[in-house]
Amino acid sequence: EPEVTQTPSHQVTQMGQEVILHCVPISNHLYFYWYRQILGQKVEFLVSFYNNEISEKSEIFDDQFSVERPDGSNFTLKIRSTKLEDSAMYFCASRERTNTEAFFGQGTRLTVV
Amino acid sequence: GQNIDQPTEMTATEGAIVQINCTYQTSGFNGLFWYQQHAGEAPTFLSYNVLDGLEEKGRFSSFLSRSKGYSYLLLKELQMKDSASYLCAVRAHTGGFKTIFGAGTRLFVKA
Repeated sequence: EPEVTQTPSHQVTQMGQEVILHCVPISNHLYFYWYRQILGQKVEFLVSFYNNEISEKSEIFDDQFSVERPDGSNFTLKIRSTKLEDSAMYFCASRERTNTEAFFGQGTRLTVV
Repeated sequence: GQNIDQPTEMTATEGAIVQINCTYQTSGFNGLFWYQQHAGEAPTFLSYNVLDGLEEKGRFSSFLSRSKGYSYLLLKELQMKDSASYLCAVRAHTGGFKTIFGAGTRLFVKA
């Protein structure tokens, strides 16, 4: 069964460093998303991406964050100058069409120390 | 803005039926999703409602009333493995599409 793949599963980084989280969405999906979930809190929308551009972003997704689809398969989230409060599980998701469900990857647990 | 409310925790007995409610306020409503999330894992899709009424899928059913901003997830024949968080998520069209999650209802199934 096709699945969304995220790497790495766990990333530890020092405060102030840049990290790139990687995602390979399901191949025939057109809509891509990043969410984050701080431990014990709710899943928070970060950004949606369609047709090679951001279609919607939340107030969390400020200039510290960026997304890219560098080739036909990868979808990355870059976090510049990480802060302690960026520690969270980051989920990538993809959707085939607008009226179908989103499939989530297993997440990358980011720990900023 | 958007607001989603669901109970924080519920407890039910194995074999029983439980209903998890969700109320929401949003503009540009474009569908409501229920996801299951076990601790430390990714959310997995359970159901999708965009029109009023009941959608049934095996032991799980979901109901939507758009005029009331209300949905529920019904779980029948509860099993221990159903112990998880159940996330109500609303998609809205506000320029682009954005799906906002509620805080989740943690369900404990006891023997």
